[in-house]
Amino acid sequence: EAGVAQSPRYKIIEKRQSVAFWCNPISGHATLYWYQQILGQGPKLLIQFQNNGVVDDSQLPKDRFSAERLKGVDSTLKIQPAKLEDSAVYLCASSSQPLDIYEQYFGPGTRLTVT
Amino acid sequence: RKEVEQDPGPFNVPEGATVAFNCTYSNSASQSFFWYRQDCRKEPKLLMSVYSSGNEDGRFTAQLNRASQYISLLIRDSKLSDSATYLCVVTNYGGSQGNLIFGKGTKLSVKP
Repeated sequence: EAGVAQSPRYKIIEKRQSVAFWCNPISGHATLYWYQQILGQGPKLLIQFQNNGVVDDSQLPKDRFSAERLKGVDSTLKIQPAKLEDSAVYLCASSSQPLDIYEQYFGPGTRLTVT
Repeated sequence: RKEVEQDPGPFNVPEGATVAFNCTYSNSASQSFFWYRQDCRKEPKLLMSVYSSGNEDGRFTAQLNRASQYISLLIRDSKLSDSATYLCVVTNYGGSQGNLIFGKGTKLSVKP
């Protein structure tokens, strides 16, 4: 079974630029999560989708971050404009059911460096 | 107070040692508990769930004390391959969804 795919794996941008990350969850998984992991910290949930609807975006900095999952499969996370403190690994995860959260499978992440 | 707090680490131990990690959580309504493992520059992966009765998986034993809001992980007979960061995770449910809340993690380095 293919795992969660993410691209790009690495991205370096200057502050105030825009960047987008892509995630393809495990086939059939209805729930998709985006996490931000800053160096030395645990992952922090940014947004959770159930199919193509948002169920939790309480920790998403909506002034600069946006995410969508238009067809209930792939998802994109965008940052516009980026700040230095956005440097982190952005992890996408998926699970088959919203309450099977211990069954979350993580992708390899996108390492973002903002200079 | 952070929702999930862990030993700061790092833990540097010789092969064969027994090492214990501790974790406390602040929300008494938290319902599920886990340990995840994260290798350097890799994604987190579920290591084991944690139950009130305690559970064991080979060399790994996890314990939960709901009254003290405390979780532990014991690794016996450490192997070089156990070197990783161990993340304590709790879940809070609301409505039809739940969220994983991660601690900062404790880094373990097992030396020959």
